[in-house]
Amino acid sequence: GIQVEQSPPDLILQEGANSTLRCNFSDSVNNLQWFHQNPWGQLINLFYIPSGTKQNGRLSATTVATERYSLLYISSSQTTDSGVYFCAVEGLTGGGNKLTFGTGTQLKVEL
Amino acid sequence: DTAVSQTPKYLVTQMGNDKSIKCEQNLGHDTMYWYKQDSKKFLKIMFSYNNKELIINETVPNRFSPKSPDKAHLNLHINSLELGDSAVYFCASSLFLGGLPYGYTFGSGTRLTVV
Repeated sequence: GIQVEQSPPDLILQEGANSTLRCNFSDSVNNLQWFHQNPWGQLINLFYIPSGTKQNGRLSATTVATERYSLLYISSSQTTDSGVYFCAVEGLTGGGNKLTFGTGTQLKVEL
Repeated sequence: DTAVSQTPKYLVTQMGNDKSIKCEQNLGHDTMYWYKQDSKKFLKIMFSYNNKELIINETVPNRFSPKSPDKAHLNLHINSLELGDSAVYFCASSLFLGGLPYGYTFGSGTRLTVV
């Protein structure tokens, strides 16, 4: 099946700093999503981005499908950005909306 | 509130017991899922239903049986619980359009602890 790798596994930032999270995947995809799991465990859908670039406030994401990677940018980080960021993909041969999740990037934003 | 709601939020039970987790969505979605998140936070799909029909059934022990009475509900029944079943179970839903999921939304999770 498709493999999804995320980097870095852990990241500590000072409030106000910017960061880039990376997601590499092993095969062509027709679906890529970024999720944030907050410290209370809630999973929030950030972006649906199988290709191209999207922005939502301080967050933006870019997926280069031909090179099989996606980037999540966090600007002017805040303590509420802390949590785990997951990339999830569905391969072209996948069916039934089967998302394969990466192992996540654990982000901690400190004052 | 429009949401995916799961009950119970916490479940502590002894080995060998049978338990159920319920999930309901009022988003008008037609596809529902069960995911398992282990202690290392790894998320893996278990089942997926589209309009009450099972479309994904990953390699999950037969002790796990999903049931979808209608497209707004997807319940998970677990028989003969084992220590290794301890995890957080997430329900999710989406709208299946043109072969792709839209509006992927997760419930708040059920933390199952088997003692």
